[in-house]
Amino acid sequence: AQTVTQSQPEMSVQEAETVTLSCTYDTSESDYYLFWYKQPPSRQMILVIRQEAYKQQNATENRFSVNFQKAAKSFSLKISDSQLGDAAMYFCASRGGSNYKLTFGKGTLLTVNP
Amino acid sequence: DAGVIQSPRHEVTEMGQEVTLRCKPISGHDYLFWYRQTMMRGLELLIYFNNNVPIDDSGMPEDRFSAKMPNASFSTLKIQPSEPRDSAVYFCASSPNRGGWGTEAFFGQGTRLTVV
Repeated sequence: AQTVTQSQPEMSVQEAETVTLSCTYDTSESDYYLFWYKQPPSRQMILVIRQEAYKQQNATENRFSVNFQKAAKSFSLKISDSQLGDAAMYFCASRGGSNYKLTFGKGTLLTVNP
Repeated sequence: DAGVIQSPRHEVTEMGQEVTLRCKPISGHDYLFWYRQTMMRGLELLIYFNNNVPIDDSGMPEDRFSAKMPNASFSTLKIQPSEPRDSAVYFCASSPNRGGWGTEAFFGQGTRLTVV
């Protein structure tokens, strides 16, 4: 079984600043993927970034990057140069092993202040 | 492609009534997922299908819930009878088979169900 924990229910950041959202996970699988999804007020779930557990190099997508610490089972998301459009609920998720389902954390609500 | 299409977007029903939620996955996707989102429990997987066959339904709350996928382009989630505690946003998502576990799940816009 996989579990994903997001310990920050809410975070806020000033526009143009950097913010880091935390995520820890637990899995007994040797091969798995980790994801960050964004859910704006429109409710649409949008993939932000993904990381394969076997890759040591941290994934980056433009202003979004992760800090993947496999031994600590930590997978944080860093948003640089925050924009008003980044305001949303962010979900950390994992998938791997014999089950194809995505397991989500409870989410972190990010507010971006102008 | 239009993405994953769910209908209706909003549904208000009275307790005890039957509710049917509908989903059209992205063409060519082999996996289809039904999730439920509530403030208390977050996003929970209810059931998922591979090639129209249910693979894991361990998240289905009770016998009042049932899901079907009669063909590759259509799935339904039915609640009968509905109860106020079923009020939530229900998401359908689909994934292609290529890419293994790293493959992105594409979500519909969800159905907000309110049972009064």
